[in-house]
Amino acid sequence: DAGVTQSPTHLIKTRGQHVTLRCSPISGHKSVSWYQQVLGQGPQFIFQYYEKEERGRGNFPDRFSARQFPNYSSELNVNALLLGDSALYLCASSLERSGYYGYTFGSGTRLTVV
Amino acid sequence: AQSVSQHNHHVILSEAASLELGCNYSYGGTVNLFWYVQYPGQHLQLLLKYFSGDPLVKGIKGFEAEFIKSKFSFNLRKPSVQWSDTAEYFCAVNARDNFNKFYFGSGTKLNVKP
Repeated sequence: DAGVTQSPTHLIKTRGQHVTLRCSPISGHKSVSWYQQVLGQGPQFIFQYYEKEERGRGNFPDRFSARQFPNYSSELNVNALLLGDSALYLCASSLERSGYYGYTFGSGTRLTVV
Repeated sequence: AQSVSQHNHHVILSEAASLELGCNYSYGGTVNLFWYVQYPGQHLQLLLKYFSGDPLVKGIKGFEAEFIKSKFSFNLRKPSVQWSDTAEYFCAVNARDNFNKFYFGSGTKLNVKP
């Protein structure tokens, strides 16, 4: 059974550009969450989507947006990139929202903004 | 706002030593608690979780954690560590009344010397 798949694995962008990160959840999982992990820190919650609707949002600026598609895959979009957006972006999927059955994490997308 | 504190950033132990990693959270309401582990080069994996019931929970690979409500703590323990336990450990919480948001601590790097 495939795990959570994220693409791309690495990318380099220039300040001011836009980036789209993609996540495919485990089959049957309806909830997808996004996290930002800066080096030396724990993951910081960005968004949770469940049944294609935004259910939770962390303390991130409006430059960050996301959506979930009918097949439950998800995209994270970041506009007007800043150097401080350089981080590992993690996607996690779960059967439902509370995490009772556990969140399964992907390996992440390493974003470098130069 | 919720926060999660892991006071030990880096722990070095010899094999067979006992392990206790501290985790404290700040939130006035009822929480669900988790410990995740990240082995070198791998993605985050669920070690154990507490939702309700017996405050002493057992997870995979011989790990356990005890929820002490009065101390807002959820410390992770293992009686005898192995070299293969070398990893980074993250404590995380979400609130029962708003489990759409998931908060992680900054992590503890455990290095087990053979």
